[in-house]
Amino acid sequence: EPEVTQTPSHQVTQMGQEVILRCVPISNHLYFYWYRQILGQKVEFLVSFYNNEISEKSEIFDDQFSVERPDGSNFTLKIRSTKLEDSAMYFCASIVRGGTGELFFGEGSRLTVL
Amino acid sequence: GIQVEQSPPDLILQEGANSTLRCNFSDSVNNLQWFHQNPWGQLINLFYIPSGTKQNGRLSATTVATERYSLLYISSSQTTDSGVYFCAVISGGYQKVTFGIGTKLQVIP
Repeated sequence: EPEVTQTPSHQVTQMGQEVILRCVPISNHLYFYWYRQILGQKVEFLVSFYNNEISEKSEIFDDQFSVERPDGSNFTLKIRSTKLEDSAMYFCASIVRGGTGELFFGEGSRLTVL
Repeated sequence: GIQVEQSPPDLILQEGANSTLRCNFSDSVNNLQWFHQNPWGQLINLFYIPSGTKQNGRLSATTVATERYSLLYISSSQTTDSGVYFCAVISGGYQKVTFGIGTKLQVIP
């Protein structure tokens, strides 16, 4: 079964450092997402990406965050100058198409900011 | 935006018991999915169910799109069913995904 893959599975970083989380969506998928989940809390929407541009972003997704799809396969989330409150599980997801497409999640990248 | 409400927020079951989890949503959706978050934090896709009823082993789900709710049934619960169950709806032209807050299930031996 095709799957969304994320790297790294766990990253520990110092406050103020830049972090890049990587995702390889399923190859024929068109819509891409990043979500985060602070430990014990709900899954929160960060950003959606379609046709090589951001289609929607939440208020969480401020100037500290950016996304790109540099080579047509990878989908990255960059967090500049990390803060303690950025510690969370970050999930990448993708959907093949519009309408009733099924959503597939990666296994998540756990970010710990010290 | 669309609101997704899940109930109950917490549930404790004796092993072998049955349960029903509910997801209400405030507007029409393109799709609805149920996920189980395991102890390692992974989101496991249980059902892709924009409408109708599906069954997979001891689990089944029903979505009544016209009445804007979905139900997840767990029968003969096992300790491995413990975890958080999330409902997620997909709506709008850009396929916005909105999660409920989840139902935390604990199955005790």
